[in-house]
Amino acid sequence: DGGITQSPKYLFRKEGQNVTLSCEQNLNHDAMYWYRQDPGQGLRLIYYSQIVNDFQKGDIAEGYSVSREKKESFPLTVTSAQKNPTAFYLCASRTRDRVGGNTIYFGEGSWLTVV
Amino acid sequence: DAKTTQPPSMDCAEGRAANLPCNHSTISGNEYVYWYRQIHSQGPQYIIHGLKNNETNEMASLIITEDRKSSTLILPHATLRDTAVYYCIVPSWGNTGKLIFGQGTTLQVKP
Repeated sequence: DGGITQSPKYLFRKEGQNVTLSCEQNLNHDAMYWYRQDPGQGLRLIYYSQIVNDFQKGDIAEGYSVSREKKESFPLTVTSAQKNPTAFYLCASRTRDRVGGNTIYFGEGSWLTVV
Repeated sequence: DAKTTQPPSMDCAEGRAANLPCNHSTISGNEYVYWYRQIHSQGPQYIIHGLKNNETNEMASLIITEDRKSSTLILPHATLRDTAVYYCIVPSWGNTGKLIFGQGTTLQVKP
């Protein structure tokens, strides 16, 4: 079945270490997104990419980095510069065609805990 | 993206209809209204979307006002499993491609 796969589901890291969260989609979608969600809060946009080899900063990009070398993949690296990285991270994708509306699909999320 | 405004929380009795409002007064003529819901610690789930006409699917109905400045998501017979955070978004598919979510409405279905 088509969908978005995020891995790992749960990740523990020591403070000061970089960590990379994986996001893979087989929906042939052009655009992909990364969101951060803190407990009891809404989704905040970290980075997004509309096409391969191109991406833009969202509202809270500091301390994060991404790459988009393949259409199917949009990994997120949480760097040591991110002051408070413990959160729930969500990846999403959608087609780029505007006609008829475009449904956004989400992965199941990754829990990152920094100790 | 057009800004959306939703009440932070609502309660609904099990078996009754849940009506969740959303204001999107700055919506443009070709922008769709989307509804998603998020159950705790899961990825948001698509519910329904619409442009001008009312829409219905197996999960819910979407009522959009004639001026398109507001909409209401209706869960006709709410169950305890419908307890979730409901997000109304009006994404702009323009050059920016950004997709912004607000705080949503926390719906609590009570027995």
